[in-house]
Amino acid sequence: DAKTTQPNSMESNEEEPVHLPCNHSTISGTDYIHWYRQLPSQGPEYVIHGLTSNVNNRMASLAIAEDRKSSTLILHRATLRDAAVYYCILGSGGGADGLTFGKGTHLIIQP
Amino acid sequence: GAVVSQHPSWVICKSGTSVKIECRSLDFQATTMFWYRQFPKQSLMLMATSNEGSKATYEQGVEKDKFLINHASLTLSTLTVTSAHPEDSSFYICSARIPTFSGELFFGEGSRLTVL
Repeated sequence: DAKTTQPNSMESNEEEPVHLPCNHSTISGTDYIHWYRQLPSQGPEYVIHGLTSNVNNRMASLAIAEDRKSSTLILHRATLRDAAVYYCILGSGGGADGLTFGKGTHLIIQP
Repeated sequence: GAVVSQHPSWVICKSGTSVKIECRSLDFQATTMFWYRQFPKQSLMLMATSNEGSKATYEQGVEKDKFLINHASLTLSTLTVTSAHPEDSSFYICSARIPTFSGELFFGEGSRLTVL
């Protein structure tokens, strides 16, 4: 599996935007970029995914670099409930493959 | 959204006993489910892929005789930890993908196993 690199931790203030970076320089042409987050003692939760174009949903936005070697998850207005470990994962868009999780970024939100 | 549910959410057992964890897709049929394990302060590790009506596919280093997976129906997969030992204590999480939807994996709440 192609590998992703994320900062171990990031800190932000409540009600401010948060930009979580992810590097994936060995991404293949068919790899989707997936983002999940995990709150303590819970299973991961889907956040967003994309292939080439930027994506928006009710939770976040995903900005994908033109060469696809990096991406940024954007939380437009962080709340305390957004404090979690965020995982950037490369994988197929569907099918029968599980996802391989890296260490992720521990996002801390200050009130 | 789609829901995946696990039971039990936590279990404590004695060393040498077997423990079964259930994973159900509540509002969709899942031909494939995935089992993960997570140790404290570590990331999730994919253990195996559970296929409805056929044998599970195990990741390298995961003992198939110790972690028995059964996917008897389109909505239920079970993971049995046989002859559990303290080193098997972990957070076990299942997930499933709606077959016609691309990308999104739905995860269960997780089952915390403590082996005394």
